[in-house]
Order: sequence, then structure tokens, then C-alpha cells
Amino acid sequence: KNEVEQSPQNLTAQEGEFITINCSYSVGISALHWLQQHPGGGIVSLFMLSSGKKKHGRLIATINIQEKHSSLHITASHPRDSAVYICAAYSNTGNQFYFGTGTSLTVIP
Amino acid sequence: EAGVAQSPRYKIIEKRQSVAFWCNPISGHATLYWYQQILGQGPKLLIQFQNNGVVDDSQLPKDRFSAERLKGVDSTLKIQPAKLEDSAVYLCASSLRGYSYNEQFFGPGTRLTVL
Repeated sequence: KNEVEQSPQNLTAQEGEFITINCSYSVGISALHWLQQHPGGGIVSLFMLSSGKKKHGRLIATINIQEKHSSLHITASHPRDSAVYICAAYSNTGNQFYFGTGTSLTVIP
Repeated sequence: EAGVAQSPRYKIIEKRQSVAFWCNPISGHATLYWYQQILGQGPKLLIQFQNNGVVDDSQLPKDRFSAERLKGVDSTLKIQPAKLEDSAVYLCASSLRGYSYNEQFFGPGTRLTVL
């Protein structure tokens, strides 16, 4: 069993839809990252959070430490949001990142 | 601010050949990571450097993989000899320090195909 589980694995949405990607983790963490990976491999860090909620433009990330769960929301989705979204939990022991397998998002015009 | 640089971007080799990847982290970043990402999977940490010292190389296949970070700046990752299952994207990332509240910045990756 992976330390970090994401759902769904694949997601197709119509442009404008509200999107939610979920991440559950089983390890104790200091922080959780949401990453975006476009075709071609480049990874961009979207959020790093350890509690509560962060918002950047149309993206919102929340985390519930007690439930060991985080969500990434995209409002008014756009085709350029099409990418793989990866959740990475930073363990509070061992200074190690645990990565989810990613959620592949396709937004159709 | 310049990002993390990696080269080459793509490499195709035959099995049993050797290959080397290069990474130049963001200036001033003490921590450097090498990840292996097999298609359809999340990145797997191969090795983590803090300056020029190794912090974690527990998942590095040391019989064929080696990495160094001389002078605590640039790093090279080598595979010798390569196997078919080494086909993956190799990602380099850096952060200011290797502690939890520091964001990792990723390079564009090197896509390796082993034939």
C-alpha cells in the first residue's frame, strides 16, 4: 500500500467545471505539496501547506491534518489546466517525500 | 531567477551502455534531489544531497547507479550499465534547505529510453 493515495487516477471535465482531486496519506507529515506536471515532464509546485487552506487564482488547496486528507480544487476549469496533478507528503520523520501516482486531468473545450 | 537546469533533455541508449545526466540547481539552494519517474507513476527519490554530502540514498540501486555533487553545486547522476527497466524520466529538484517548509523546485527532466 502506498503511503500517499490519490483519487481519481484519471479525470475528464468540460471547460468551466469545478474539479476536485483528493489525496490521502498514512504517514505523519510536516507539509504537503501539490505539484503540476505537464506533458514533457516539467513539474511545477502549486502549493505547499501544513494546515488550513491556500488559494492562488483559480486553484484552492485544503488540508485536514486530523483526517490525513488534502484536496486540490480548480474552479472554472480551462483546457490549459490539463496536466497530471501529484500530491507529495513530506514526512515529519526521516525528511522524506512520499509521492502519489498522480491524477491525470483532461479539460475538454 | 533561473530555474533548475538539466541536460540532456532526451537520451536513447542501448542496454548495457552507460549514461550520465547533469543538474544545475537554483543558486543558493543547499539541497538537491534526484528522482526517477517511470511512466504512470509518481517520482521516486533516488538520492538527496545536502550541500555535497549524501542525506538519503536508500533507494539508489548502487550496483549500477552513482551520483555526486562536487563543490555542493552541480550534480551528475550516472547509470552503468543501463537496463531496460531504467527507462524513465530523471528529475532533478532543489530546495533552499532540506527541511519540511522549503519548497522544491523541479527541473524539466531527462527522458531516458533504454532499448
